[in-house]
Amino acid sequence: EAGVAQSPRYKIIEKRQSVAFWCNPISGHATLYWYQQILGQGPKLLIQFQNNGVVDDSQLPKDRFSAERLKGVDSTLKIQPAKLEDSAVYLCASSLAPPRWGAETQYFGPGTRLLVL
Amino acid sequence: KQEVTQIPAALSVPEGENLVLNCSFTDSAIYNLQWFRQDPGKGLTSLLLIQSSQREQTSGRLNASLDKSSGRSTLYIAASQPGDSATYLCAYRMKTSYDKVIFGPGTSLSVIP
Repeated sequence: EAGVAQSPRYKIIEKRQSVAFWCNPISGHATLYWYQQILGQGPKLLIQFQNNGVVDDSQLPKDRFSAERLKGVDSTLKIQPAKLEDSAVYLCASSLAPPRWGAETQYFGPGTRLLVL
Repeated sequence: KQEVTQIPAALSVPEGENLVLNCSFTDSAIYNLQWFRQDPGKGLTSLLLIQSSQREQTSGRLNASLDKSSGRSTLYIAASQPGDSATYLCAYRMKTSYDKVIFGPGTSLSVIP
């Protein structure tokens, strides 16, 4: 079974530039998550999708971050414009269904490491 | 505010030692608690999941315990091996919003051959 795929693996940009990350979840997984992991901290949920609908985006800085999952499969996360404090690893995860339906296990991708200079 | 702390932040032990990693959380109304492993440049892998009604879970050389009343969980690793070197994170789901997972900062473990 193929895992969660993410690209690019690394990205270096200057502040005020834009950047986009891509995630392809495990086939058949309806729930998709984007997390931000700052060095030395645990992952923080940015947004959760159920199919192509947003379940939770309460911690997404909506003035600069956006995410979409148009066809309920792949997802993109965009930052525009980037700030120095956005330097982090961005992790994508997927699960078969939402946890409230009993699908507890999240499968994580390798992450995209972003450095904003 | 939901908060998770993990002590120690980093740990270095010789191969073969038994060790304990600690996790403390402030929210007593948890749904379940998980321990994850994170290897450099890789995503997280779930190791053990303890439901709120359980006190411990075991998988091979790993044993995780949960004490909701004190807001603590421990991960016990027996007979540590160099391949156990990684960062270990604990995370919990709240009963009131169990779609959301709250992660701790992790303990970085290095097992020296």
